[in-house]
Amino acid sequence: EAEVAQSPRYKITEKSQAVAFWCDPISGHATLYWYRQILGQGPELLVQFQDESVVDDSQLPKDRFSAERLKGVDSTLKIQPAELGDSAMYLCASSFNINQPQHFGDGTRLSIL
Amino acid sequence: QQQVKQSPQSLIVQKGGISIINCAYENTAFDYFPWYQQFPGKGPALLIAIRPDVSEKKEGRFTISFNKSAKQFSLHIMDSQPGDSATYFCAASIPGNTGKLIFGQGTTLQVKP
Repeated sequence: EAEVAQSPRYKITEKSQAVAFWCDPISGHATLYWYRQILGQGPELLVQFQDESVVDDSQLPKDRFSAERLKGVDSTLKIQPAELGDSAMYLCASSFNINQPQHFGDGTRLSIL
Repeated sequence: QQQVKQSPQSLIVQKGGISIINCAYENTAFDYFPWYQQFPGKGPALLIAIRPDVSEKKEGRFTISFNKSAKQFSLHIMDSQPGDSATYFCAASIPGNTGKLIFGQGTTLQVKP
């Protein structure tokens, strides 16, 4: 079964540093989502792409977070500068189209020291 | 109004028993209600989903019961097995141009042998 690929699986960095996460969605999936999951809570949407366009970034802290999906396939989420409160699991999901079932990758566990 | 409230926070069930997890919502515009299963270190995996035009959906040992008037839905796991031990999240989606998922806080299920 096709999967959403994410890397790295784990990232430890110091506050004020830059960090980047990569996601490769299931082939043919037009919609891509980045979620943040704090330990013990449900995922919260950060940003959603439809092909290469952002359709929802209302919960993305734009002063430090950025996301892109330049060719409408894979995507990168960046944080600069990282803060202690950014420690969380960052999950990528994709769906064939909007309002279709979302399939998640195994995430990147970020720890900020 | 965008919240999905999930209970209980944790649940312990004996092998062979029935596990029941409940969710409640306020926004009557929600039109898609999936349940996700998450094992430690893994991303959420879609388990089963329902739309409000049906009151029940069953897939194997997993059943969603939906009460539109009460704005509640629940997951029943029949014949619970130790391999079902995981965290379960309910979610709800708003129709329209994003299909954004709002997740509950999660329920940690432990099935004792």
